[in-house]
Amino acid sequence: DIQMTQSPSFLSASVGDRVTINCKASQNINKYLNWYQQKLGEAPKLLIYNTNNLQTGIPSRFSGSGSGTDYTLTISSLQPEDVATYFCLQHSSRYTFGAGTKLELK
Amino acid sequence: QIQLVQSGPELKKPGESLKISCKASGYTFTDYAMQWVKQAPGKGLQYMGWINTQTGKPTYADDFKERFVFSLETSASTAYLQINNLKNEDTATYFCARGGYLGYWGQGVMVTVSS
Repeated sequence: DIQMTQSPSFLSASVGDRVTINCKASQNINKYLNWYQQKLGEAPKLLIYNTNNLQTGIPSRFSGSGSGTDYTLTISSLQPEDVATYFCLQHSSRYTFGAGTKLELK
Repeated sequence: QIQLVQSGPELKKPGESLKISCKASGYTFTDYAMQWVKQAPGKGLQYMGWINTQTGKPTYADDFKERFVFSLETSASTAYLQINNLKNEDTATYFCARGGYLGYWGQGVMVTVSS
């Protein structure tokens, strides 16, 4: 099974900061990588699918990149409403979630 | 608009069974698979598996091949998750999610298993 290593586990940043979250797969996942945002007490929300495709309605400050085994979610200018936990999901072979990154405001 | 509405919270004793529902609206139910995801309290997301809404064939992740059953009531655009012989470690929130991308999610069902 494909393992996903997500980093960092915890991130503290200021409004306006550029934030990056990483996921590393145990093998090539051919860009079959999604990113989700989960706010406290809510269901996860799809932000980006297949590495770099922004889901409808998601602000353009969110972007994704990567290939092979290494993938990144970038928030170009952090907003207060972005406080949440972020998860990656590989769907190249079955499905595996990353462990999550909890993003807080400094 | 597309919605997945799940049933309410459950409090059960070890050894009991439960059945959670996930009612879809706003799209053709059989056009998308239904996925299931577990989230233990304070933990991350764990993929449970999916059901083909056209054929009814379920596929379970390795950790969910025993005691867990996915089913459908297509005429009601509803998917079900049944958990048999409940254990304390089944205490979690269970989400349904639509399609291969898990693009839309239900609100989750909090299940508590306690004697």
